[in-house]
Amino acid sequence: IAGITQAPTSQILAAGRRMTLRCTQDMRHNAMYWYRQDLGLGLRLIHYSNTAGTTGKGEVPDGYSVSRANTDDFPLTLASAVPSQTSVYFCASSEEGAGYNEQFFGPGTRLTVL
Amino acid sequence: GQNIDQPTEMTATEGAIVQINCTYQTSGFNGLFWYQQHAGEAPTFLSYNVLDGLEEKGRFSSFLSRSKGYSYLLLKELQMKDSASYLCAVRDSNYQLIWGAGTKLIIKP
Repeated sequence: IAGITQAPTSQILAAGRRMTLRCTQDMRHNAMYWYRQDLGLGLRLIHYSNTAGTTGKGEVPDGYSVSRANTDDFPLTLASAVPSQTSVYFCASSEEGAGYNEQFFGPGTRLTVL
Repeated sequence: GQNIDQPTEMTATEGAIVQINCTYQTSGFNGLFWYQQHAGEAPTFLSYNVLDGLEEKGRFSSFLSRSKGYSYLLLKELQMKDSASYLCAVRDSNYQLIWGAGTKLIIKP
């Protein structure tokens, strides 16, 4: 693994189904993030984690949950998918704290909810 | 509320110079980032400004004026591979990134 990986690459999902998007990083970064990107809108933060064992809500957390059991993994779960959750989902990681601490992004998961 | 504004789309000619502007209103300021995103790909980091002034990195430069809530990204000697979206993001008082919608840059031969 080099950097951040996400799975699946794309998925078509029936409304009402449960879905977990996986994210793994091998850079030993403390902070991890989940964003969604929709046409015409900026990246919007769903949930974040500053360190293993802690999580926080971003701008658009409703309908999503996360866990951070260890440093490397940060899965995002849609408990009961709805069509408005159709989007491209990006996982990112960074060093925590002050300084420029750029965020490194995974390749994204394209999710379609029908 | 928090707001980041950038032009939706710009067109420029190969070999020329283009300036992409970004204005922001956020709760606190802890740095401004520019990212590049090619179609269908993930964003990648270009530059970071936290103090006023110009940061130069090869063909790309980024400028910041904190008093005006303004930044620009300057791309010189444009190449076809520079066709991409350019995302402006501000880190707020909670150290979270607030993102603009991005500027799609189209390069013509």
